[in-house]
Amino acid sequence: KNEVEQSPQNLTAQEGEFITINCSYSVGISALHWLQQHPGGGIVSLFMLSSGKKKHGRLIATINIQEKHSSLHITASHPRDSAVYICAVRSPGGGADGLTFGKGTHLIIQP
Amino acid sequence: NAGVTQTPKFQVLKTGQSMTLQCAQDMNHEYMSWYRQDPGMGLRLIHYSVGAGITDQGEVPNGYNVSRSTTEDFPLRLLSAAPSQTSVYFCASSYSPYGGELFFGEGSRLTVL
Repeated sequence: KNEVEQSPQNLTAQEGEFITINCSYSVGISALHWLQQHPGGGIVSLFMLSSGKKKHGRLIATINIQEKHSSLHITASHPRDSAVYICAVRSPGGGADGLTFGKGTHLIIQP
Repeated sequence: NAGVTQTPKFQVLKTGQSMTLQCAQDMNHEYMSWYRQDPGMGLRLIHYSVGAGITDQGEVPNGYNVSRSTTEDFPLRLLSAAPSQTSVYFCASSYSPYGGELFFGEGSRLTVL
C-alpha cells in the first residue's frame, strides 16, 4: 500500500505570505489529488494531476513523478485560505479502492 | 446542480442503536464510497460501489452495511452503534471507479454515547 506523508502538519502564516505544502508518497501513482477542507465543512477537490503543473487562481500544484513528490503553493495568502489541505494518491492498478490519503496539513492564515 | 448530498449533518446515538446515513449524487457517477475521518488519521475507506447492485468492502468495514439499488443513492447503515464509530463520515463519488475528479458531500458528524 502506498504511504503518503504530508509536511508540515501545521502551518501558521501572515496574510500575504507565499505558502508551500508538501506531499511525498512511496510507490508510483497514476494520479494525485489535492483537497481542501474548511473547519466544520465538506471536502472540495482543488486539483487532480499526474504530471507537471496546474494553476487555478492563487493556487498552484506541481508534481515530480521521479522524486514521488508534489507541492501545493498558495500565493498572496488570505485568511479565507485557512483550512486543512489533504493529499491523496491513486495507485495504478489499485482498483476502485486504490486511493490513499495523507493526514492533512492544517493551515491558518492570520490577518 | 446539487452534487453529492449527505444527510443528516449531525446525529447523536446511544450504544446499540441503529441508523442510516443517506448519500445521493445527481451526476450519474458510477463510483460512490463512504469514508470516515478521525483525528490524526487520513480518510479511511469503509465501503464502496462501482455501480448499481455492486458493493465491496474497504479498509474498515466492520459494523457498517451498504447497498446500491440505484445509481444515485448509496446509504450507509450502522447496525448496532458503538462509541468507536464516533467520527465524521464523508460520502464521495467520481465518474470512474479507477480515476477522475472526486466529489465529496458535506460530511455527517456522528457521536455515539
